[in-house]
Amino acid sequence: SQQGEEDPQALSIQEGENATMNCSYKTSINNLQWYRQNSGRGLVHLILIRSNEREKHSGRLRVTLDTSKKSSSLLITASRAADTASYFCATYVMGFQKLVFGTGTRLLVSP
Amino acid sequence: EPEVTQTPSHQVTQMGQEVILRCVPISNHLYFYWYRQILGQKVEFLVSFYNNEISEKSEIFDDQFSVERPDGSNFTLKIRSTKLEDSAMYFCASRGPTEIHYEQYFGPGTRLTVT
Repeated sequence: SQQGEEDPQALSIQEGENATMNCSYKTSINNLQWYRQNSGRGLVHLILIRSNEREKHSGRLRVTLDTSKKSSSLLITASRAADTASYFCATYVMGFQKLVFGTGTRLLVSP
Repeated sequence: EPEVTQTPSHQVTQMGQEVILRCVPISNHLYFYWYRQILGQKVEFLVSFYNNEISEKSEIFDDQFSVERPDGSNFTLKIRSTKLEDSAMYFCASRGPTEIHYEQYFGPGTRLTVT
């Protein structure tokens, strides 16, 4: 698999439900970040978790990181229609300056 | 809140023409990037720029591409002779003000259409 693969590829839920997205990666990382992209728009930074952290919260977002499994999850609680977007994980690989993006999860939240 | 801006929002060009995509990064940032996203695909790294030179580039960033920071505010991506496969959204990003600020802030993108 490629560096930064998310599953599911698409997720459809009702408002108020929780949404969980998973990301796997292959190489050692400095940190892992999650971004949101509304259709045809730019990427918005959501949250960063460092390689020595296991869990981080920001508002309705909860991110976990398991470096032994090379995986991360993003949980959005009490989802809203406005959360409808694509969500990407991106890894900061050790020794490099760039972000390596995953394939993304398309989230649809229905009212 | 400071933001990264990009112009134009949409550029249509003919194959073989040169295009320049422009970006104004956040003013106190030191690291600058270009990424691209072909429709329906993942975001791909093109190039990073620091201290007035390229710090890293991908295989995509061949001799047809160049970057420049002509003054203290603008950051440009030039494609010398566009190909059909260069059609994509191009995103500029910046981070800073120090090396340990890893979050990248993205502009809204330029949609490049090569006909």
